[in-house]
Amino acid sequence: DAKTTQPPSMDCAEGRAANLPCNHSTISGNEYVYWYRQIHSQGPQYIIHGLKNNETNEMASLIITEDRKSSTLILPHATLRDTAVYYCIVRVYGTGRRALTFGSGTRLQVQP
Amino acid sequence: DGGITQSPKYLFRKEGQNVTLSCEQNLNHDAMYWYRQDPGQGLRLIYYSQIVNDFQKGDIAEGYSVSREKKESFPLTVTSAQKNPTAFYLCASNGGADTGELFFGEGSRLTVL
Repeated sequence: DAKTTQPPSMDCAEGRAANLPCNHSTISGNEYVYWYRQIHSQGPQYIIHGLKNNETNEMASLIITEDRKSSTLILPHATLRDTAVYYCIVRVYGTGRRALTFGSGTRLQVQP
Repeated sequence: DGGITQSPKYLFRKEGQNVTLSCEQNLNHDAMYWYRQDPGQGLRLIYYSQIVNDFQKGDIAEGYSVSREKKESFPLTVTSAQKNPTAFYLCASNGGADTGELFFGEGSRLTVL
């Protein structure tokens, strides 16, 4: 699976959009981008995933660049409850239930 | 409600003792996983099982053992051979479609005294 690079930490004001970047310059054509988040002392929670088109669900939006070498997770109106570590993961879809590899992620602090 | 239940949430043990962490899921998922997390770090894979009666070592399996006798259960034993067992342990599962969407339990925090 391709390696990802994320900033170690970011701040965001409550009510504003949080834009979390992820670099995956070695991504291959059949690899998807997944985002998870982990609130302190809890298990990670799946947020969203995508291949090349932008994706949106009730939690967030995922913007993938045209060359697929980077992506941005957008939380449109961040709240204090969005304070968490956000993990960007790249892996091939449908590969026999192999485990995901979690890096260190980005620690997002939403400020009141 | 469907989900993954880990127990105990907190556990203390003395050095040299084995301890078993429980993970039960009622999601009817085939695949289950154990991860370890140290403070400020990401998750590292210990063991995973894609089907009943079968499991594979992950990246840091030394000092750990697992069993998968039932689809819904995947217990992890931390043995006395694990040199630094104090950590946060997370169990996860996913369904047959292999969407990459893992469902995690709330974790078990093990402290060795």
